[in-house]
Amino acid sequence: EDKVVQSPLSLVVHEGDTVTLNCSYEVTNFRSLLWYKQEKKAPTFLFMLTSSGIEKKSGRLSSILDKKELFSILNITATQTGDSAVYLCAVEASGTYKYIFGTGTRLKVLA
Amino acid sequence: SAVISQKPSRDICQRGTSLTIQCQVDSQVTMMFWYRQQPGQSLTLIATANQGSEATYESGFVIDKFPISRPNLTFSTLTVSNMSPEDSSIYLCSVRRGGESEQFFGPGTRLTVL
Repeated sequence: EDKVVQSPLSLVVHEGDTVTLNCSYEVTNFRSLLWYKQEKKAPTFLFMLTSSGIEKKSGRLSSILDKKELFSILNITATQTGDSAVYLCAVEASGTYKYIFGTGTRLKVLA
Repeated sequence: SAVISQKPSRDICQRGTSLTIQCQVDSQVTMMFWYRQQPGQSLTLIATANQGSEATYESGFVIDKFPISRPNLTFSTLTVSNMSPEDSSIYLCSVRRGGESEQFFGPGTRLTVL
């Protein structure tokens, strides 16, 4: 059975800290991995990863994929209170066009 | 990206009634999906909305409970039928332009069933 596991489930840090969120997966014929930020209702797209070792970066956020070890990490540097959210990882198996979502990591950044 | 709207944004309904949620995209997309997010849970795919044909449902979801329409490449509806309090969730529409593209979400509909 395909599955996506995120860790930690929740995390509390102070402004300025750096955090690393983990996503490991087991899917048949991996195709792509997505990261989202969810603050209220709708998840907001962050990154799409398809190739190992290529870092995607957007401001203070970055992400990388390891297809050999079957995981991805999302890094947030110099965290701000506005980074407080649930971060979701989703993985697509080839040929399905459907994404399987992990349980998410709830991040809280304290001022 | 795509601009996606959903109506209603929230609703409070009585047990046994039905609610239809609309999803409109600003441009044609290949794939449209409906997800459910129960309180404190992650996203679960309900079905893939197929243009001009019956939706493809995931395990645990059936057409009688969640009928879906997709009359064209920019619009879809999800109906939650004969609702019970267990149907209280956020319902999300999402779209992909093609097999190599990202997936984007609509703003969601927060449903509360009393």
